[in-house]
Amino acid sequence: DAGVTQSPTHLIKTRGQQVTLRCSPKSGHDTVSWYQQALGQGPQFIFQYYEEEERQRGNFPDRFSGHQFPNYSSELNVNALLLGDSALYLCASSTAHRAGGTPYNEQFFGPGTRLTVL
Amino acid sequence: QKEVEQDPGPLSVPEGAIVSLNCTYSNSAFQYFMWYRQYSRKGPELLMYTYSSGNKEDGRFTAQVDKSSKYISLFIRDSQPSDSATYLCAMRYAAGNKLTFGGGTRVLVKP
Repeated sequence: DAGVTQSPTHLIKTRGQQVTLRCSPKSGHDTVSWYQQALGQGPQFIFQYYEEEERQRGNFPDRFSGHQFPNYSSELNVNALLLGDSALYLCASSTAHRAGGTPYNEQFFGPGTRLTVL
Repeated sequence: QKEVEQDPGPLSVPEGAIVSLNCTYSNSAFQYFMWYRQYSRKGPELLMYTYSSGNKEDGRFTAQVDKSSKYISLFIRDSQPSDSATYLCAMRYAAGNKLTFGGGTRVLVKP
């Protein structure tokens, strides 16, 4: 089991550009969430995708958008990049179906994509 | 004021000591309380989760939740140098996937 994978590992962009980050969920998972983690800070929730639709969204502007594909993989797009968008972008996957009646569905995190905006 | 507050540290302890970590929060609607460990340049890894109030033990790790005080703790017994990492507390409502994280505490266990 490869776990959650993300690509690319690192990315350098300039202000105003657009970027696309990719995530493949853990095998058997159908839900993907994206988080932004600035240096020295905890992750902040961007949004969650399930059944190819955005289900929950955090306090991020419309410059942040996403997509989920039929194979459950997901993309995060950021337009009009700002210096403040420099961060580690984390993808987490989980399943909407609770195994064995467990009320909590653990989110497994990928290694992240480090985005630097110059 | 942030919803979840966590001392950033760093917290430096000798090998074998007990590491004590804590978070406070303001939103009484949180129902699930998690502790994640994050090594440098890696994604967070779930250590423990607790539903509502109470204690939970798993090996060297003990998690405590006091909802009346809006305070959660993680204790690491017999700490090892491999425990050196950033520890993040996180919380979630009963429904949905959104995790609200603290800022993380950096822990250094010295041999």
